[in-house]
Amino acid sequence: AQSVTQLDSQVPVFEEAPVELRCNYSSSVSVYLFWYVQYPNQGLQLLLKYLSGSTLVKGINGFEAEFNKSQTSFHLRKPSVHISDTAEYFCAVSDDTSGTYKYIFGTGTRLKVLA
Amino acid sequence: DVKVTQSSRYLVKRTGEKVFLECVQDMDHENMFWYRQDPGLGLRLIYFSYDVKMKEKGDIPEGYSVSREKKERFSLILESASTNQTSMYLCASSGLGRSRPQHFGDGTRLSIL
Repeated sequence: AQSVTQLDSQVPVFEEAPVELRCNYSSSVSVYLFWYVQYPNQGLQLLLKYLSGSTLVKGINGFEAEFNKSQTSFHLRKPSVHISDTAEYFCAVSDDTSGTYKYIFGTGTRLKVLA
Repeated sequence: DVKVTQSSRYLVKRTGEKVFLECVQDMDHENMFWYRQDPGLGLRLIYFSYDVKMKEKGDIPEGYSVSREKKERFSLILESASTNQTSMYLCASSGLGRSRPQHFGDGTRLSIL
């Protein structure tokens, strides 16, 4: 079965600095990958998705992610963060092993942007 | 835009009560999901449904049941609420196919006293 690992539970970073949030998944023949953001007291909002094609995926709010098949990774990056990016970020993979439409979510990374 | 609406943002119930959490989506999505979210554990799937009256157990179905009588509505039922079911509950929906992203409601923070 698929699994998703977000190694960093918390990432503090100063405003206008770059950030990378790491995500690794277990191997699979084909994967669909997603990053979601959750602001305080809200549900999850889709940031970006990788389905096929270019390995560099651009999303909303200046975020991008790179799909690396050999390293089974899908790290999220932003070149310059803002205070408003403070939130929890979840990586998810669509599970193709069960024939259904389940996602497997990572445990999340809390991004704290410091002034 | 897809709208997934959860009936309550905050809910307080007592141990042993039967609790209903309601979720409605307005995009004619086939798939609907219930998750619970706990600190350090991420999102865990309780149940999902891929069609009216169809349901499948997720990873943590014990103590829960679901109902999907209409395509747009998916209800989560706590048969006899217990304190360890205090959590944030998130509903989501998606169209057919693995590539379709899930769209989430704002969540219901449920406290069982």
